[in-house]
Amino acid sequence: DAGVIQSPRHEVTEMGQEVTLRCKPISGHDYLFWYRQTMMRGLELLIYFNNNVPIDDSGMPEDRFSAKMPNASFSTLKIQPSEPRDSAVYFCASSSNREIRGYTFGSGTRLTVV
Amino acid sequence: DAKTTQPPSMDCAEGRAANLPCNHSTISGNEYVYWYRQIHSQGPQYIIHGLKNNETNEMASLIITEDRKSSTLILPHATLRDTAVYYCIVRVGYSSSNTGKLIFGQGTTLQVKP
Repeated sequence: DAGVIQSPRHEVTEMGQEVTLRCKPISGHDYLFWYRQTMMRGLELLIYFNNNVPIDDSGMPEDRFSAKMPNASFSTLKIQPSEPRDSAVYFCASSSNREIRGYTFGSGTRLTVV
Repeated sequence: DAKTTQPPSMDCAEGRAANLPCNHSTISGNEYVYWYRQIHSQGPQYIIHGLKNNETNEMASLIITEDRKSSTLILPHATLRDTAVYYCIVRVGYSSSNTGKLIFGQGTTLQVKP
């Protein structure tokens, strides 16, 4: 298995632009999680899906953030418009209730908004 | 949600055992303790987990106190490659029908020195 695949690995964008981060979970995993990591706040859970349905989005910071999961093998996290304070590493993780080892994380997308 | 408390940083000499403590005094009876580590800016990686009994795998050992209010992760022979941030997490809401949530704290930065 290729693991959780995120793209792009790095993204540099100008303030005000739309940014889309992508994630492909492990096949067979029915849960997908989006985390954000910054020095100040550590790893924060933003939103998670079960069977493609958003279950808990209480961690999404603002309406500028939105996440979708159109099918079991793809999810996006979109920021529109982006701001410099959105600069962070965004991680995607997947799991299932059969997975006793917890979550498998992707390599992350490092976002820089200038 | 159950919270964990870890020392912010620790040092360990290469080749010696690294013992990383964690307090989780509000843990519920059916909640598991998980340990992950994050090397540099990679995605967090699963190490080990346990409920009541001590556990050992190829990476580490986990010692859980009888009252389950604290645990210790043991890396038996630390190497320079074990330098990382180690997270102790209580997996909240995990069951046969729900994967639960992993809420990360600040973790312990372990520095293995030659």
